[in-house]
Amino acid sequence: SQTIHQWPATLVQPVGSPLSLECTVEGTSNPNLYWYRQAAGRGLQLLFYSVGIGQISSEVPQNLSASRPQDRQFILSSKKLLLSDSGFYLCAWSRGSSGYLQETQYFGPGTRLLVL
Amino acid sequence: QKEVEQNSGPLSVPEGAIASLNCTYSDRGSQSFFWYRQYSGKSPELIMFIYSNGDKEDGRFTAQLNKASQYVSLLIRDSQPSDSATYLCAVGRGGADGLTFGKGTHLIIQP
Repeated sequence: SQTIHQWPATLVQPVGSPLSLECTVEGTSNPNLYWYRQAAGRGLQLLFYSVGIGQISSEVPQNLSASRPQDRQFILSSKKLLLSDSGFYLCAWSRGSSGYLQETQYFGPGTRLLVL
Repeated sequence: QKEVEQNSGPLSVPEGAIASLNCTYSDRGSQSFFWYRQYSGKSPELIMFIYSNGDKEDGRFTAQLNKASQYVSLLIRDSQPSDSATYLCAVGRGGADGLTFGKGTHLIIQP
């Protein structure tokens, strides 16, 4: 069975500090990977998605970036955090195949980030 | 711009009754429709998906899709207190470029 991990679970960072959140998937190969952010009172916002190593698509212009150095690893980064970056960051995966299966997404446990 | 609309609630339903959750979407090119459940402080978990017009049943859950009306619903039969959560509707276009989520409906099942 497939398992998705995220760490850290919670993080408190000062404004202007860097950020690195990690997501790994086990039990599948060549998955599609996604980063979402859920801010208080707002819906899930897609930030980045990746269909393969080194392939990153950005949905929202911001001070965040993403990288996929390995097939089942997805990293979300920032050089300087803003107060508005606070939120619940969720990584998700779907099968890297054609058709409808590639759309069904499964979420990791999430990282709760508070920027002070 | 793709939008998915849900009534934020809270929707209060007595235990044992049927809970009805609704969702509308703006993108007529949408191909796939998902319902996720999210408990407070936790990540969303998939309940079910539907691709074709009509009803799809899975245990106590029934998803209904009407593409002409751009409307998706989720029925929960024999509601239990453990069903109390926020329910997210999500819509996709059939590719790998991610889903568009609604803000969710907060459901409360009253014992």
